[in-house]
Amino acid sequence: DIEMTQSPSSLSASVGDRVTLTCRASQGIHTFLNWYQQKPGKAPKLLIYGASTLHSEVPSRFSGSGSGTDFTLIITRLQPEDYATYYCQQSYNTPSTFGGGTTVGIK
Amino acid sequence: QVQLQESGPGLVKPSGTLSLTCAVSGGSLSSSDWWSWVRQSPGKGLEWIAEIYHNGRNTNYKPSLQSRVTMSVDQSRNQFSLKLTSVTAADTAMYYCASAGYCSGGTCFDHWGRGTLVTVSS
Repeated sequence: DIEMTQSPSSLSASVGDRVTLTCRASQGIHTFLNWYQQKPGKAPKLLIYGASTLHSEVPSRFSGSGSGTDFTLIITRLQPEDYATYYCQQSYNTPSTFGGGTTVGIK
Repeated sequence: QVQLQESGPGLVKPSGTLSLTCAVSGGSLSSSDWWSWVRQSPGKGLEWIAEIYHNGRNTNYKPSLQSRVTMSVDQSRNQFSLKLTSVTAADTAMYYCASAGYCSGGTCFDHWGRGTLVTVSS
């Protein structure tokens, strides 16, 4: 199985901050990388697919980049509704695997 | 807009069988290529379990669960199901059903149910 490692596991940031989350795959996965946002008690929501394409209705302050093994999710100008846990997921091969998540908390 | 709703017992005895159904509304099963189950143990991350093609002819299972898991579709009822046998406390989790569409060459989970909590306990 491809192992997905996210860092940091948690961070604290203020409204308006620029936040950078990273995801590393244990082997190359091209750009078959998706990002999800999950709030407490809720199902995950798709944010970005194909490493950099925003899903419908996702605000433009979210952006994704990377290919191969290293990927980044950036939130520019963090908003109150962005406090959540973010997961990366590879769809390069089966079984699909998720990273352990990064929780973005209030500073 | 496709909507998914999980249903099934919230409590299963150890060594028993976990059976869940996901009802699809707002679209047919053929509106997505694959349909999946993802679970999340309390306070933990997400774990993909299994997927089935919309016509039921192809399935993929997580290798570590393959001997215990079965998925099926019921096109007449527009729903799909999960069965997990010989459950233990380690199978206690929130179980989500999700649609897996093709996204930029790969697949992504673009619609999710709200999840159903299954506890394995005597």
